[in-house]
Amino acid sequence: DIQVTQSPSSLSAAVGDRVTITCRASQSINSHLNWYQLKPGKAPKLLIFAASDLQTGVPPRFSGSGSGTDFTLTVAGLEPEDFATYSCQQTYSAPYTFGLGTRLEIK
Amino acid sequence: QVQLMQSGDAVRKPGASVKVSCRSSGYVFDTYGISWVRQAPGQALEWIGKISAYTGQRDFSQKFLGRLFMTTDKSKDTAYMELRSLTSDDTAVYFCARDRWVGEILYYDHWGQGTLVTVSS
Repeated sequence: DIQVTQSPSSLSAAVGDRVTITCRASQSINSHLNWYQLKPGKAPKLLIFAASDLQTGVPPRFSGSGSGTDFTLTVAGLEPEDFATYSCQQTYSAPYTFGLGTRLEIK
Repeated sequence: QVQLMQSGDAVRKPGASVKVSCRSSGYVFDTYGISWVRQAPGQALEWIGKISAYTGQRDFSQKFLGRLFMTTDKSKDTAYMELRSLTSDDTAVYFCARDRWVGEILYYDHWGQGTLVTVSS
């Protein structure tokens, strides 16, 4: 199985800050990497697919980059609604594993 | 608009089975696959499996071999996930999600609201 290591596990930031979350795959997954935002009691929300494509309706302050084994999610200019947990998922090879998540908290 | 509506929360005893439904609306059901993902308390998301609503082809995590059954009913635009021989480790929120493809890259653009399955004696 492909392992996906996400870091940091938690992050404290202020409104307006720029933050970056990384995911590293245990082998090359080309661009088969997606990012989701998780909030308690809600369905996961797709932010970025295929490593860098912004999902329709997602604010452009969210961006993704990377290919192969190393990927990043950047949020430029945090808004109050962005404080949540973020998870990456590889869909290169089943089982389609998720990262452990990054909890983004308000400083 | 696209919606995936899941069945209600369930409580089961160890050894029992649970069947979660996922009713789709807002798109042609059999043109997309459905995947199943779960999240145990305090844990990461875990991929369970997927099924093509058009062909019925399934792909699933070997972890669930022998006790996972995924089906679809095109007449009801509904997908089902049945998990048998439940243990306390199966306590989790179960989500269905719609499969989307860009080239060969799979992602999930719409998700159900989640179904809490609690396994307790």
